[in-house]
Amino acid sequence: SQTIHQWPATLVQPVGSPLSLECTVEGTSNPNLYWYRQAAGRGLQLLFYSVGIGQISSEVPQNLSASRPQDRQFILSSKKLLLSDSGFYLCAWSQNPGRSYEQYFGPGTRLTVT
Amino acid sequence: DAKTTQPNSMESNEEEPVHLPCNHSTISGTDYIHWYRQLPSQGPEYVIHGLTSNVNNRMASLAIAEDRKSSTLILHRATLRDAAVYYCILTGNTPLVFGKGTRLSVIA
Repeated sequence: SQTIHQWPATLVQPVGSPLSLECTVEGTSNPNLYWYRQAAGRGLQLLFYSVGIGQISSEVPQNLSASRPQDRQFILSSKKLLLSDSGFYLCAWSQNPGRSYEQYFGPGTRLTVT
Repeated sequence: DAKTTQPNSMESNEEEPVHLPCNHSTISGTDYIHWYRQLPSQGPEYVIHGLTSNVNNRMASLAIAEDRKSSTLILHRATLRDAAVYYCILTGNTPLVFGKGTRLSVIA
């Protein structure tokens, strides 16, 4: 069976510090991978998605970036965090192609920027 | 992606059926209708999806209108654990784009 891991579960970082969140998927190959963010009391915002190694699509302009160094690894990064980067970060995967396939979410990382 | 319209909130009594509506009048012929739900402090979880025919699974049923311009998620017997935000999403192409959904409250 497939499993998706995210770490850390919670993180408190000062403004201006770097960020690295990691997501890995087990039990499948060549998945589509996604990063979403949910600010407090807000909806889910798609940040990045990837259909393969090194292929990243960005949905919104911001100070975040994503990388996919391996087939089942997806990393979200920032060089300098802003207060507005606080939120609940969720990684997800789906089979490729993904139109009719379910999307599975990880447990999330709750980031607080102080 | 085509847009969906859902009520902001709904309330149900425990052990009663719940019908969550979704309007998607601009749906295209190849769009799938997906439903997800998000429990407090968790990521969304897949509930059900369909294209044209009604669908049933262990969690819920999905009733799709003949013209596909609307659909209804049916929870046959609501429990307290079903209290969540329910999202109706059309997938014209990956990835999923979440709207505001319907916040379902279940009263004991």
